Amino acid sequence: RKEVEQDPGPFNVPEGATVAFNCTYSNSASQSFFWYRQDCRKEPKLLMSVYSSGNEDGRFTAQLNRASQYISLLIRDSKLSDSATYLCVVNVVHFGNEKLTFGTGTRLTIIP
Amino acid sequence: IAGITQAPTSQILAAGRRMTLRCTQDMRHNAMYWYRQDLGLGLRLIHYSNTAGTTGKGEVPDGYSVSRANTDDFPLTLASAVPSQTSVYFCASSDSGQGNGNSPLHFGNGTRLTVT
Repeated sequence: RKEVEQDPGPFNVPEGATVAFNCTYSNSASQSFFWYRQDCRKEPKLLMSVYSSGNEDGRFTAQLNRASQYISLLIRDSKLSDSATYLCVVNVVHFGNEKLTFGTGTRLTIIP
Repeated sequence: IAGITQAPTSQILAAGRRMTLRCTQDMRHNAMYWYRQDLGLGLRLIHYSNTAGTTGKGEVPDGYSVSRANTDDFPLTLASAVPSQTSVYFCASSDSGQGNGNSPLHFGNGTRLTVT
């Protein structure tokens, strides 16, 4: 099983719709979780950290489910500018060493 | 503007040649990283440095070397390039070493390298 797994998509969603995608992780000791956004041929940029209690930033909501070992990202009232690849990032702990591990990304296209 | 600068933006390199990818940050971040990004494989860590003077191996270190002589610079060297090193390379930095939930990564804008 991959350490961090995402549905690659693509998700093609009409403008204004709500879209959600999940990311599963295998290391139960993981403590830090992030969502990054990457536009085509650009660098990844931090979208939001994911906190245990869940957190919201405008139209974006991130949640953590420790029992099932996944994080989710919900985008409400989607805009054309939301089209991007969304990367899930989890810190993976092995023998006391931690490293941030990236999922392969979920591609989202918002359709006018 | 504070951030991370990578150079060159792109490069075509003959197999067997030596190449150094440059990375400089002005945020005074302690930790710096080199990733490569390949289609279907996501970002994979090549080498990292938690603080100036120290380096460590990531997931895919073979064929690459790094140095961290000071806080700001973290060059990545390919001693003898091979076609499988064709990729997009991203340098990143964070305020502290990996695993700190309060310290996400800031990325440079990448170097596209093609080894022929």
